[in-house]
Amino acid sequence: NAGVTQTPKFRVLKTGQSMTLLCAQDMNHEYMYWYRQDPGMGLRLIHYSVGEGTTAKGEVPDGYNVSRLKKQNFLLGLESAAPSQTSVYFCATSPTGGFYEQYFGPGTRLTVT
Amino acid sequence: GEDVEQSLFLSVREGDSSVINCTYTDSSSTYLYWYKQEPGAGLQLLTYIFSNMDMKQDQRLTVLLNKKDKHLSLRIADTQTGDSAIYFCAESPNTGFQKLVFGTGTRLLVSP
Repeated sequence: NAGVTQTPKFRVLKTGQSMTLLCAQDMNHEYMYWYRQDPGMGLRLIHYSVGEGTTAKGEVPDGYNVSRLKKQNFLLGLESAAPSQTSVYFCATSPTGGFYEQYFGPGTRLTVT
Repeated sequence: GEDVEQSLFLSVREGDSSVINCTYTDSSSTYLYWYKQEPGAGLQLLTYIFSNMDMKQDQRLTVLLNKKDKHLSLRIADTQTGDSAIYFCAESPNTGFQKLVFGTGTRLLVSP
């Protein structure tokens, strides 16, 4: 089992360009999350999904859109990239239930110049 | 509001004990967690404690919880160079969906 995978691993964008980050999981988990990690700020939740066809805003959703058309995939889109979106992006999944262990992908390092 | 705070950096010598501290704000969290992030990787669950416990021991790891002061700590005994990583504490506020609020992370550097 691959667990949680993210594509791509690295990307450099120019300001104003768009891109989509893909998160794929083979654990049949209902919940999926997108975080960004910035130095000294920990992880901040961008968007999340509680099941196929559902999405919701997290703590820092502005400038990002998401889609969950299939249970196993969660896409994060940047329509018009800005330098402030330079960050490391992590996808995570979790099963339903009272214990909130989240399983993380390896991350995507994005630089916007 | 939800806020989890940690010191940013800790440096210890190999063989010493490390203590990483965390303060949280939401007393409704059923569990509190410690995650570990090794260089270039995502986070992995290291250990956790149920909110009605004061202490949990797991091999070299000891988690202490002071609910009155909303203070959580992680002690690593006999710290090794392989323990060098970023350690995040996280709370799980009762918001109606499964959400973790992470602290800023503490970078632990273990020198030989």
